[in-house]
Amino acid sequence: GIQVEQSPPDLILQEGANSTLRCNFSDSVNNLQWFHQNPWGQLINLFYIPSGTKQNGRLSATTVATERYSLLYISSSQTTDSGVYFCAVARGRGGANNLFFGTGTRLTVIP
Amino acid sequence: SAVISQKPSRDICQRGTSLTIQCQVDSQVTMMFWYRQQPGQSLTLIATANQGSEATYESGFVIDKFPISRPNLTFSTLTVSNMSPEDSSIYLCSVRKGYTGELFFGEGSRLTVL
Repeated sequence: GIQVEQSPPDLILQEGANSTLRCNFSDSVNNLQWFHQNPWGQLINLFYIPSGTKQNGRLSATTVATERYSLLYISSSQTTDSGVYFCAVARGRGGANNLFFGTGTRLTVIP
Repeated sequence: SAVISQKPSRDICQRGTSLTIQCQVDSQVTMMFWYRQQPGQSLTLIATANQGSEATYESGFVIDKFPISRPNLTFSTLTVSNMSPEDSSIYLCSVRKGYTGELFFGEGSRLTVL
């Protein structure tokens, strides 16, 4: 399978601060997604971004597929941003069945 | 996106019993998957639920322990059989929608086995 490494494993931020989360993967992929898992366990789709850059409000993501990494930017963090952020990748056009998940970055935003 | 409902959202079960988790999607989907997330861990694919045929299991997961049904294109069930405390996890249903292959997840079913 594809190895997916995320850094940092844990991050504590003061409300209002900015942060960058990184995802490195070991092979070429056609599918890369970022998720936020809230404290209740629900996985929320943030970005589908196998390449390029996307922005959604305070969040943006960039994937450099040729160099096998993706970055998730969080600006002006809020306490509701707390939770675990997962990067997941897959091979295969149209998205392979098996989405390989990283170990996640646990973000805590303190007021 | 997709609206994916799972039942139960959480349950506490006794060792040796079985529990069936239901997953209902608001529209027909070709691909449905079941994932497991053990405490403090990442997500692992259990199996692909195939409509009209047997599920396809990943290495380390077997049909006797995790039987899956997929009677139609909007519904699937996962049963966790003969449970032990090691089965305490969040079980998540997932579907693939659109031509991109983007995956969407249900709210998850948090299972605690005593």
